[in-house]
Amino acid sequence: NAGVMQNPRHLVRRRGQEARLRCSPMKGHSHVYWYRQLPEEGLKFMVYLQKENIIDESGMPKERFSAEFPKEGPSILRIQQVVRGDSAAYFCASSRTGVNTEAFFGQGTRLTVV
Amino acid sequence: KNEVEQSPQNLTAQEGEFITINCSYSVGISALHWLQQHPGGGIVSLFMLSSGKKKHGRLIATINIQEKHSSLHITASHPRDSAVYICAVNPSNTGKLIFGQGTTLQVKP
Repeated sequence: NAGVMQNPRHLVRRRGQEARLRCSPMKGHSHVYWYRQLPEEGLKFMVYLQKENIIDESGMPKERFSAEFPKEGPSILRIQQVVRGDSAAYFCASSRTGVNTEAFFGQGTRLTVV
Repeated sequence: KNEVEQSPQNLTAQEGEFITINCSYSVGISALHWLQQHPGGGIVSLFMLSSGKKKHGRLIATINIQEKHSSLHITASHPRDSAVYICAVNPSNTGKLIFGQGTTLQVKP
């Protein structure tokens, strides 16, 4: 039973390029959360998705960031026109139900914008 | 003021010492989590609790809902316990997590 899989583990992008981060939840999990950890800062909630639905995107920056969790395939966090300030570790977590349940984290994608 | 506060921010201990990390929160919660993160590594869930006390090996976690406070204890600490320990809470009726800033623990041999 594979855990939460994130890829790539490391991603380097030039300013202005697009970054796509993927997250495959654990088998049987239909709830996915994305979190961002900026250098020297704590983790911050970005977005909560269920299959084909965005449930809570209160932590997403208003521009350039989007997320989806299609019926088939992994959840995708997409960052358009990346800037240096987007450099961070992005973690995905999944859970079986939405509330009062243990969340399992992926290894994270470390994005570096040069 | 952060909704989840941890103390201390940094902690250095000698191998074998008993360690306590504290977490206070200011929002209503449905559960509290203790997480472990190694440098450059992923995040591992240690405990999820909503009341009382849980124990796993040398780790013990307690929570006092009335005082909005939790502690993580490590008995007989070992250098391999060196990591960042993060307290996180589920605000009531939500699955998302709000995190503390983390406590960086270094255990010296």
